[in-house]
Amino acid sequence: GNSVTQMEGPVTLSEEAFLTINCTYTATGYPSLFWYVQYPGEGLQLLLKATKADDKGSNKGFEATYRKETTSFHLEKGSVQVSDSAVYFCALSSGGSNYKLTFGKGTLLTVNP
Amino acid sequence: NAGVTQTPKFRVLKTGQSMTLLCAQDMNHEYMYWYRQDPGMGLRLIHYSVGEGTTAKGEVPDGYNVSRLKKQNFLLGLESAAPSQTSVYFCASRRTEANTGELFFGEGSRLTVL
Repeated sequence: GNSVTQMEGPVTLSEEAFLTINCTYTATGYPSLFWYVQYPGEGLQLLLKATKADDKGSNKGFEATYRKETTSFHLEKGSVQVSDSAVYFCALSSGGSNYKLTFGKGTLLTVNP
Repeated sequence: NAGVTQTPKFRVLKTGQSMTLLCAQDMNHEYMYWYRQDPGMGLRLIHYSVGEGTTAKGEVPDGYNVSRLKKQNFLLGLESAAPSQTSVYFCASRRTEANTGELFFGEGSRLTVL
């Protein structure tokens, strides 16, 4: 079945530091990949996505590249801000189950000033 | 621009009590979902619906029932609450187009079962 593994947190960084959150997946077929973000007290919202191999999703300074050869979709940001403090979820949808998303366990990011 | 609205936002139950969580979306989405979020477990799918009048089981359906009598509403019921059902519940919806993948989430409903 489908599964998503992302690095365990929590991750604590200083403002302007470089961020990487690792995500690898197992899926049948050709999945679409997503990063969702959950700010404190809110529901999840889509941050970025990539629907085929070598695609790069980007939004709000975050980027992730769909790497089929390594089954990975790592999230990166060159310079984090305090306002980026949130929980980040990697997710995939695949094949016949493309109406459902499979989520990773989430990574809590705290950015200190 | 309400999006996805969940009620209630907070609820405390005693073991054995019943309750219903209501999810309403105003985006005319076909697909709707109920997830639960627990520390260290991420989001787990409880039940989902691909259209009015249809429901299906997700990963963790036991102890829950759902109904989708109207397209805009998706109800999650607990017939006899247990402490293991203490969690934050999220409703989500999405458009029909294949593989867009974007779910729109409500703000969550925090349920405590004593």
